[in-house]
Amino acid sequence: KNEVEQSPQNLTAQEGEFITINCSYSVGISALHWLQQHPGGGIVSLFMLSSGKKKHGRLIATINIQEKHSSLHITASHPRDSAVYICAAKGSQGNLIFGKGTKLSVKP
Amino acid sequence: GAGVSQTPSNKVTEKGKYVELRCDPISGHTALYWYRQSLGQGPEFLIYFQGTGAADDSGLPNDRFFAVRPEGSVSTLKIQRTERGDSAVYLCASSLTDSYNEQFFGPGTRLTVL
Repeated sequence: KNEVEQSPQNLTAQEGEFITINCSYSVGISALHWLQQHPGGGIVSLFMLSSGKKKHGRLIATINIQEKHSSLHITASHPRDSAVYICAAKGSQGNLIFGKGTKLSVKP
Repeated sequence: GAGVSQTPSNKVTEKGKYVELRCDPISGHTALYWYRQSLGQGPEFLIYFQGTGAADDSGLPNDRFFAVRPEGSVSTLKIQRTERGDSAVYLCASSLTDSYNEQFFGPGTRLTVL
């Protein structure tokens, strides 16, 4: 069993839909990252959080430390949101343990 | 430049050859991480530097892989006797200090071993 599990693996949505991507982890963490990776490989950090909730534009990330679960929400989704979204747990040494990613495709 | 840079962006080599991949972190970032991402997979941790020293190299798959950061800034990942299974995108990230800071990623080096 992977230490960081994401679901779903693939997600297709219509433009405007509310999207949720889930992440569960089994390791002790100091923080959790949500990352976005577009075709071509570049990774962008969306959020780093260790408790509660963060919001940036149409993106919201939440984390429940007791349940070892985090969610990434996208409101009013748009085709430009199409990308792979990766959850990564930060261990005590700082290195990231990555989930396999969720491939999101938003259709116009 | 303000971000993490990596060179080359693409490297094609033959099985058995030696390759070096370079990472230039954000200026002032003391922590530097190397990750490897195989096709269709999430990245996997290779090695982490704090300053000049490797604080954790537990992710290096075998002794063909080695990384250095002699002056605490630029890092080079070195792969000896490359194998086809080494083909992947090698990602570098840096953060201001260590565990408690956000990591910023470079664009990656796509290594293809023929």
